[in-house]
Amino acid sequence: EVQLVQSGAEVKKPGESLKISCRGSGYSFTNYWIAWVRQMPGKGLEWMGVIDPGDSDVRYSPSFQGQVTISADKSISTAYLQWNSLKASDTAMYYCARHEKIAAGGTPWGQGTLVTVSS
Amino acid sequence: QSALTQPPSASGSPGQSVTISCSGTSSDVGYYNYVSWYQQHPGKAPKLMIYEVNERPSGVPDRFSGSKSGNTASLTVSGLQAEDEADYYCSSYAGNKVVFGGGTKLTVL
Repeated sequence: EVQLVQSGAEVKKPGESLKISCRGSGYSFTNYWIAWVRQMPGKGLEWMGVIDPGDSDVRYSPSFQGQVTISADKSISTAYLQWNSLKASDTAMYYCARHEKIAAGGTPWGQGTLVTVSS
Repeated sequence: QSALTQPPSASGSPGQSVTISCSGTSSDVGYYNYVSWYQQHPGKAPKLMIYEVNERPSGVPDRFSGSKSGNTASLTVSGLQAEDEADYYCSSYAGNKVVFGGGTKLTVL
């Protein structure tokens, strides 16, 4: 079964750093892109960026460029989303999704990681 | 403000058909045949329902169909069922990035 399993919920303070993960299983991890999507409380989906785990080629949405870092470790079939200095406005659910190519629809999706940033 | 425009809500009775629109521009929906639709139930991760405008992934009922005309894509749900009540999001490739619509809450009356 093809699966993406994300790391657990996080509660952080403003200014702290954070790295969340998305582990793929049941398929060849390097043959598919992994995208990250933000969903703020009660709001819609926002595409943050995508990585090719095979060569770590990353494309960012202009809205998120410089705000987060997307990376991957193909040896353990895991993609990451990282912040150096969290803000309260980063509070959201973050999803990863598998894409055959950047343009294609994403399936499956991970279960989501809830990040709460509060002082 | 989302890049693609969807109506905030749509509704229909069981058995009826409902169509949700997704308006973009000549730089995304109008240029690429890479429109996808996702279904999201409360508290759940999104699920791919349509890809490449009108293709259905394995396991998605054929009651779900997609189309595109110009800069506007559409999702049609035929033979509405109670379990179709959910939020629906369109997305489009826009050249090295993907853009989403704001989402449509579908209510089955």
